[in-house]
Amino acid sequence: SALTQPRSVSGSPGQSVTLSCTGDSGDVGDYDQVSWYQQHPGKAPKLMIYDVTERPSGVPDRFSGSKSGNTASLTISGLQAEDDADYYCCANAGGSYVFGAGTKVSVL
Amino acid sequence: EEQLLESGGDLVQPGGSLRVSCAASGFIFSNYAMTWVRQAPGKGLEWVSTINGGGYNTYYADSVKGRFTISRDNSKNTMYLQMNSLTAEDTAVYYCANHPTGTAYFDYWGQGMLVTVSS
Repeated sequence: SALTQPRSVSGSPGQSVTLSCTGDSGDVGDYDQVSWYQQHPGKAPKLMIYDVTERPSGVPDRFSGSKSGNTASLTISGLQAEDDADYYCCANAGGSYVFGAGTKVSVL
Repeated sequence: EEQLLESGGDLVQPGGSLRVSCAASGFIFSNYAMTWVRQAPGKGLEWVSTINGGGYNTYYADSVKGRFTISRDNSKNTMYLQMNSLTAEDTAVYYCANHPTGTAYFDYWGQGMLVTVSS
């Protein structure tokens, strides 16, 4: 089943927000293979975090990831206007993949 | 520069079939697993299918198993998705994405193409 994400999160520029992604022992809990994707309207998703904590080159260091048990988290420190987007988590489920329903981050 | 270009999206009648393609460039295609992810209008991302670099291991979401077939031609740097018995629930933007063999994240994505199933 889909990973559980809050529908929306908001913050003012400069603030920090944390997005959660809850699965179970068959996906988030079993593998350190959680990734996060940012999607702006009408655009393709973009990889922001992989393997729970790793950041691809070119992704600002204000994006960070973590995991505890069956819940992974994405923290955006120092929100900027361009961070206003949808964010999806994804986990390896042993040969298949499962996405969360997405969190809309609004920069106020 | 890595590039993925989807093609073949179209309007199809319910029960019909469609084959879509994803042409890759800018990376060693056979070293990468390839994946299809779709997004229904106004909805979230849904993993559809993955094929390994050699093309001999394939994986499918339950929602498409038995109806969709993923394949690749490494000599043409192209991946395919054959979609049969299409229903309105298959209407979505379909994205192709790559991931280095042995990894479980989608590194680079194409721009997506719309498949519409409607009478």
